[in-house]
Amino acid sequence: DVVMTQSPVSLPVTLGQPASISCTSSQSLVYSDGNTYLNWFQQRPGQSPRRLIYMVSNRDSGVPDRFSGSGSGTDFTLKISRVEAEDVGVYYCMQGTHWPLTFGGGTKVEIK
Amino acid sequence: EVQVVDSGGDLVQPGGSLRLSCAASGLTFSASDMTWVRQAPGKGLEWLSSIRANGFDTFYADSVKGRFIISRDNSKNTLDLQMNNLRAEDTAIYYCVRGLRTPDKWGQGTVVTVSS
Repeated sequence: DVVMTQSPVSLPVTLGQPASISCTSSQSLVYSDGNTYLNWFQQRPGQSPRRLIYMVSNRDSGVPDRFSGSGSGTDFTLKISRVEAEDVGVYYCMQGTHWPLTFGGGTKVEIK
Repeated sequence: EVQVVDSGGDLVQPGGSLRLSCAASGLTFSASDMTWVRQAPGKGLEWLSSIRANGFDTFYADSVKGRFIISRDNSKNTLDLQMNNLRAEDTAIYYCVRGLRTPDKWGQGTVVTVSS
């Protein structure tokens, strides 16, 4: 199975400051069709997960442009340019390239 | 607007069975791959099973293979998860999600508790 490793596990951030979450896969996530199926999800407290980014860097409709995704192969990053109070929650990366599909362990973003 | 609504969660005894359902609207269900994901209390997300739009191709995590069966009825826009031989470690919130490699719309989740 492809292991998705996220760091840090916990990320205290000052409001208005940037934040960065790393996600590393144990195998390349480039699929045979040339696409890289790496997604990012946000789960606010008490809510269902919400997709933010798909295929590495494509932001979903309605997602603020302070969120951005980057990376390739096995190393990926989610960045928040200026953290706002509503960004508190747990962030997960997920690979959709290899069976079984797998999620990272999550990164908890909290305000200092 | 795309909506995915999960239902069927309940308290069930170890070894028992339960059938979860998911109703989808605002999308072309018959063209949508679908997936079930669960989240144990205080834990992360775990992919369980996916089914292709045509219903012929199904995929399972090792943790549920042989016990859970995913199915769909494209005439009713519904997705089901038949769960058999339930164990305490199956206790979780179960989410229905549209999509497979890039899952996007999540249901609100339905709670399954396996306990005697």
